[in-house]
Amino acid sequence: AQRVTQPEKLLSVFKGAPVELKCNYSYSGSPELFWYVQYSRQRLQLLLRHISRESIKGFTADLNKGETSFHLKKPFAQEEDSAMYYCALSGSGANNLFFGTGTRLTVIP
Amino acid sequence: DSGVTQTPKHLITATGQRVTLRCSPRSGDLSVYWYQQSLDQGLQFLIQYYNGEERAKGNILERFSAQQFPDLHSELNLSSLELGDSALYFCASSQGNEQFFGPGTRLTVL
Repeated sequence: AQRVTQPEKLLSVFKGAPVELKCNYSYSGSPELFWYVQYSRQRLQLLLRHISRESIKGFTADLNKGETSFHLKKPFAQEEDSAMYYCALSGSGANNLFFGTGTRLTVIP
Repeated sequence: DSGVTQTPKHLITATGQRVTLRCSPRSGDLSVYWYQQSLDQGLQFLIQYYNGEERAKGNILERFSAQQFPDLHSELNLSSLELGDSALYFCASSQGNEQFFGPGTRLTVL
């Protein structure tokens, strides 16, 4: 069975500091991993996915199959990064998403 | 704006009642997904429809059902409501792998 674990419910960092939001997964096949973000009073939206290997808003995430992790990183946090972040997984051949419980990031000015 | 719309925004009802939540996907998207977000369970996948047909099922209770109509809008029906069904219900639509979420319907069961 698939499982996505985000160990931190809350994370606070100072503006300009590096930030890392942890995500670990378990899945027997080859999953696709995503990070979704929900800013205050906005809907859930895709931040990035592992297959595109891109950097969005300064965030990157590398899929580590050995550690079954997909941590989200940004070298210098900004106040506008404060939001709820969800790691999600979709299995091979399926598009539905399995979400972690989310991490609320607060960037302190 | 992702283009996915959901109605109503809020719904307050009593235990034992039945409600219908509605979702209109983005123009051209054939897939619709329903998710439930509750405080204790987080975001959980309920069910997916693709072009009118059920495609995948998640943790959806037997008291819940859904359908997708020829115009591609979808409805989620929740019956014999219990206090624990109080949650935010999200709909999402997609063409490929990226899902676009609606604003959600907040259901409160009293």
